[in-house]
Amino acid sequence: EVQLVESGGGLVKPGGSLRLSCTASGFTFTPYTMNWVRQAPGKGLEWVSSISSIGYHVYYADSVKGRVTISRDDAKNSLYLALNSLRAEDTAVYFCARTVVGLWDGFDIWGQGTMVAVSA
Amino acid sequence: QLVLTQSPSASASLGASVTLTCTLSGGHSTYAIAWHQHRPEKGPRYLMTFYYDGSQRKGDGIPDRFSGSSSGVERYLTISSLQSDDEADYYCQTWVTGVQVFGGGTKLTVL
Repeated sequence: EVQLVESGGGLVKPGGSLRLSCTASGFTFTPYTMNWVRQAPGKGLEWVSSISSIGYHVYYADSVKGRVTISRDDAKNSLYLALNSLRAEDTAVYFCARTVVGLWDGFDIWGQGTMVAVSA
Repeated sequence: QLVLTQSPSASASLGASVTLTCTLSGGHSTYAIAWHQHRPEKGPRYLMTFYYDGSQRKGDGIPDRFSGSSSGVERYLTISSLQSDDEADYYCQTWVTGVQVFGGGTKLTVL
């Protein structure tokens, strides 16, 4: 079964850090661009970051640029998102997602999400 | 600036059809759109990508009841023979080098 499973969410204080993980199974991970998308409580989906196959290209939304780092370990079929200098507005469910094909396309496989709550 | 606009809500009766609209900001009429269904407490589900040339790529297992179309800057998702579990939020998505963009979502209620 093609699957993405996120982990690493939790409650963190403002200014704190967290590292999210996403483990892929059921497909060959290496060729795919991978992404992080979040959904704040009561809000819509917001793209956070993308990383191309091999990790050669990385992209970030303006709202998180300078505070998050996306990375991947193809040997472990895993995608990561390091969140730093966290703010209350970073509170959200974070989803990882696979790009259909190439570097820019829709997202065809999604995980169930992991919750990040930023609060004192 | 690339923006996608969706109506916040829509409703239709069980067994009927409904068309959801996603509007691309001006100057972006040739952009492809992906559609996703999102039920509460679940991950989003990819429905399809609709390309400007009219071709479509569907997600695995997505029934023919779900179809896409377009006109100018408008992109449409039509769901026919509505079922109760079609009740969900529906998001459109587009992209340009360097950025992915989601619409604000449409909450579909099946009456």
